[in-house]
Amino acid sequence: GQQLNQSPQSMFIQEGEDVSMNCTSSSIFNTWLWYKQEPGEGPVLLIALYKAGELTSNGRLTAQFGITRKDSFLNISASIPSDVGIYFCAGRKETSGSRLTFGEGTQLTVNP
Amino acid sequence: DVKVTQSSRYLVKRTGEKVFLECVQDMDHENMFWYRQDPGLGLRLIYFSYDVKMKEKGDIPEGYSVSREKKERFSLILESASTNQTSMYLCATRGTGGHYGYTFGSGTRLTVV
Repeated sequence: GQQLNQSPQSMFIQEGEDVSMNCTSSSIFNTWLWYKQEPGEGPVLLIALYKAGELTSNGRLTAQFGITRKDSFLNISASIPSDVGIYFCAGRKETSGSRLTFGEGTQLTVNP
Repeated sequence: DVKVTQSSRYLVKRTGEKVFLECVQDMDHENMFWYRQDPGLGLRLIYFSYDVKMKEKGDIPEGYSVSREKKERFSLILESASTNQTSMYLCATRGTGGHYGYTFGSGTRLTVV
């Protein structure tokens, strides 16, 4: 069942603001991934993280693999209207092969 | 880039009907997955397959079955559709090696009336 707690569930922000969201678990994960889903489309991979403490950027997005390996964070700087969508975290355990566990998602709304 | 195609974007079916959702990928990926997406619940794994004719239950397999007769095609079957199966269904694939990210299709929004 669901083992990743993602927060916040939703965010309403003004264009230009920075955004932070996180994902936590009681289990250890070896890989953390962040996806974005735009309306009417499937999720698209944004960032993949493979080592505890790793910090990786993709344009205005920055994600971190928590030191405890039980959490991950995604930050979006200087938000723009096209950042609107649902952001999902996903984790992979060493014993789970290709199987990922997904968080519940964060719905982001950006007001121009 | 891998392309994952789901045969229908929108479907409306009646309670009790047998429903087939089709997913086709063009990159010879071994692993294929079916998820359903519901508000507040995220993505929940229904079934997955790591090879032709192989299948594994996910977290919510009840009321569903799958078929993988060819590597590129993974079908989700609702044996007797019910209204609580109204949802968005997402197919995903992953090859071996490389990063563990999935490539998703655009989804099929199924409504059972």
